[in-house]
Amino acid sequence: GESVGLHLPTLSVQEGDNSIINCAYSNSASDYFIWYKQESGKGPQFIIDIRSNMDKRQGQRVTVLLNKTVKHLSLQIAATQPGDSAVYFCAESSTSGTYKYIFGTGTRLKVLA
Amino acid sequence: DVKVTQSSRYLVKRTGEKVFLECVQDMDHENMFWYRQDPGLGLRLIYFSYDVKMKEKGDIPEGYSVSREKKERFSLILESASTNQTSMYLCASSFGGLTEAFFGQGTRLTVV
Repeated sequence: GESVGLHLPTLSVQEGDNSIINCAYSNSASDYFIWYKQESGKGPQFIIDIRSNMDKRQGQRVTVLLNKTVKHLSLQIAATQPGDSAVYFCAESSTSGTYKYIFGTGTRLKVLA
Repeated sequence: DVKVTQSSRYLVKRTGEKVFLECVQDMDHENMFWYRQDPGLGLRLIYFSYDVKMKEKGDIPEGYSVSREKKERFSLILESASTNQTSMYLCASSFGGLTEAFFGQGTRLTVV
């Protein structure tokens, strides 16, 4: 199986509860942020993004919050389901650079039935 | 749907072999990337390309090279594979600017 999550921080959440996954980013010049979900044996999948001129963006069951003052990003998942179990990564990018993405180390979300 | 396709899911190669990992995207993206993913280290950028025949080193380029002869294809080359290159390799592509990167399914390479 996929071993990418062996040393990751883990968040365990009861099915139906809300999940909050946090990420601290490094570059104060970053102006674009993305959350990815990675299931075992698969590549990362895009969940939601946010630009630095916003502090909140909502999708279907997901909300991303951005606090530029403390360089912090969070992903909130409402009514967490078993299919949400995965590793979640944040990524940052700067349009003043070469559009490279810098990824966090990830958080494993475990949904308890 | 955007598709980023990596040529192999699993590869086993011997130390010293030259290894080619291929990636193709079908959305006319300008940018393409190669990352490796290791437990506890997240995704680390090896190389990226922002146009045909253009490339830039990422954070860990040593032991690797890349080729982008056509816009849709980005190849990662391990000149002489070593056991410390055993890893999951992920290819991605994007339009650039304020847009997300799309990933392939990954290639798990084992060097023995």
